[in-house]
Amino acid sequence: AQTVTQSQPEMSVQEAETVTLSCTYDTSESNYYLFWYKQPPSRQMILVIRQEAYKQQNATENRFSVNFQKAAKSFSLKISDSQLGDTAMYFCAFMTTNFGNEKLTFGTGTRLTIIP
Amino acid sequence: DGGITQSPKYLFRKEGQNVTLSCEQNLNHDAMYWYRQDPGQGLRLIYYSQIVNDFQKGDIAEGYSVSREKKESFPLTVTSAQKNPTAFYLCASSIPTGLYSYNEQFFGPGTRLTVL
Repeated sequence: AQTVTQSQPEMSVQEAETVTLSCTYDTSESNYYLFWYKQPPSRQMILVIRQEAYKQQNATENRFSVNFQKAAKSFSLKISDSQLGDTAMYFCAFMTTNFGNEKLTFGTGTRLTIIP
Repeated sequence: DGGITQSPKYLFRKEGQNVTLSCEQNLNHDAMYWYRQDPGQGLRLIYYSQIVNDFQKGDIAEGYSVSREKKESFPLTVTSAQKNPTAFYLCASSIPTGLYSYNEQFFGPGTRLTVL
């Protein structure tokens, strides 16, 4: 079974600064996907960024980027030039590539607060 | 607009009663999922369905039941056997993934269930 660990329950950062959220995972699979989801106060889950394990290049989406270290089973999210709208819960998630078994396994989340 | 709808947004139940949460999608997705979210525990998978008339148990299926009679609908029944049903319930849907391919899970707005 896969596990996902987020060791930072809460973080806060000043607006416009950079913040990094940590995530580690455990799996015996060689091919899988990793995700960061954002859940704002509305509680709507929003996909922020994804990474395919077979790709060595780190994924980037505008101000969001990841540091994927496959050997260390680490998948951190960096938010640059943080904005007030980035305030939310952030969940790291894992999915295997086994067809018929596309389940998302989530970490416990990090509550991020952007301070004006 | 295409999307996922969940109803009702808030639901109250007396102990010992069964209650059904609705999830409908018009995205023409084959796969649908039910997750439960508790404070400090992230999201956990209850049931999922890859195709009509077929579904599988997730990690915490005890006390829940589902049906998948139509492609667009995946209702979740919380039975009296579920000992701690107060939680936030999220429904999601996707096109099933394949080897080296990925299709995003789209989430509904959620239903907050409270047992009185």
